Amino acid sequence: AQTVTQSQPEMSVQEAETVTLSCTYDTSESDYYLFWYKQPPSRQMILVIRQEAYKQQNATENRFSVNFQKAAKSFSLKISDSQLGDAAMYFCAYRRAYETSGSRLTFGEGTQLTVNP
Amino acid sequence: GAGVSQSPRYKVAKRGQDVALRCDPISGHVSLFWYQQALGQGPEFLTYFQNEAQLDKSGLPSDRFFAERPEGSVSTLKIQRTQQEDSAVYLCASGPEGSYNSPLHFGNGTRLTVT
Repeated sequence: AQTVTQSQPEMSVQEAETVTLSCTYDTSESDYYLFWYKQPPSRQMILVIRQEAYKQQNATENRFSVNFQKAAKSFSLKISDSQLGDAAMYFCAYRRAYETSGSRLTFGEGTQLTVNP
Repeated sequence: GAGVSQSPRYKVAKRGQDVALRCDPISGHVSLFWYQQALGQGPEFLTYFQNEAQLDKSGLPSDRFFAERPEGSVSTLKIQRTQQEDSAVYLCASGPEGSYNSPLHFGNGTRLTVT
């Protein structure tokens, strides 16, 4: 079974600065997807960024980028120029590829990010 | 609607009561997932539907939990004889066919409190 671990229950960052959230995972699969989701107090899971395991290039989405280390099974999220609206719970998630009977997301425990003005 | 809609947003039940939680997925979405999120934890998989077929219910914690999607659109998660450990946020997510390659769309969840 796949597991996802986020070792930082809480992180804080000053507005306009950069913060990195850590995530490690365990799997025996070679093809899979990794995600970072943001969950504000509204509770809705919002997709921040996605990485396909077969792609070596790290994904980027505006101020958000990842450091994907496949051999180390590490998938960290870097938020640049942090904004007050970035404050939320962040979840790292894993999903198997090519699953025909539904491919569930396996989530980590989450990291609560606080952005200080 | 434009997104996944869940109702009610909050539900308080006395221990032993039955509850029903509703999920309206995005129109046309084939895949539908239910997740349970305990306070301060990440969501945990409960069950998966492809259209009206429940293809995976391995995450349901007990036989008190039952889910259905009879016409392949709206889904209901029913919990019988609720217990305090059932208190959690229940999230629904939907996706188009071939969801392993497409992002899931989540609703705002139903927060269930069992007293």
